[in-house]
Amino acid sequence: GAGVSQSPSNKVTEKGKDVELRCDPISGHTALYWYRQSLGQGLEFLIYFQGNSAPDKSGLPSDRFSAERTGGSVSTLTIQRTQQEDSAVYLCASSVGLAGVGDTQYFGPGTRLTVL
Amino acid sequence: AQSVTQLGSHVSVSEGALVLLRCNYSSSVPPYLFWYVQYPNQGLQLLLKYTTGATLVKGINGFEAEFKKSETSFHLTKPSAHMSDAAEYFCAVSENTGNQFYFGTGTSLTVIP
Repeated sequence: GAGVSQSPSNKVTEKGKDVELRCDPISGHTALYWYRQSLGQGLEFLIYFQGNSAPDKSGLPSDRFSAERTGGSVSTLTIQRTQQEDSAVYLCASSVGLAGVGDTQYFGPGTRLTVL
Repeated sequence: AQSVTQLGSHVSVSEGALVLLRCNYSSSVPPYLFWYVQYPNQGLQLLLKYTTGATLVKGINGFEAEFKKSETSFHLTKPSAHMSDAAEYFCAVSENTGNQFYFGTGTSLTVIP
């Protein structure tokens, strides 16, 4: 079946502009995670959604970052007033359930964001 | 707090040689353990995972890992490296008291012909 998809695959923007990154999870997966992968770094947790519960936003680095998940499916990560340090690959992952039950995460190909 | 340490950000092995990628974790409760692989210009994909039961776990492409509670380790091995194994490998941990995954910083594997 279809995997996790993300769009755009690449995004180049100017400092100070807003960007929106989209994630389509696997159908039926209730959990959705966003991560940031900077060059030479591991995956930095940003936010997760589980069903209709309030999202865990504890990983968002600043109030310029926000995310929503509409209808329990598609998610959008928004970065306002982008800064050069926001340049990274943004990864989305979905799973049937949450990490607490050992479910496997399935990752999308990522969006490479470059802030000039 | 949960943490994952991958010793060696870069590992080089000769084709046909043993692959050993190290992962140590800290957890106050029984962990769930994962290895993911990221091939060049591709997304992360699951290699193998440990949740419960047998501590030696076999994954795709001939990889396996063993959960050693006493050593808090989950090292990844493959008896004979292939050129196609060149990739970035990430160890990850979750636990049944939380809802997050914690990833190591990754190990880049180079296979020398």
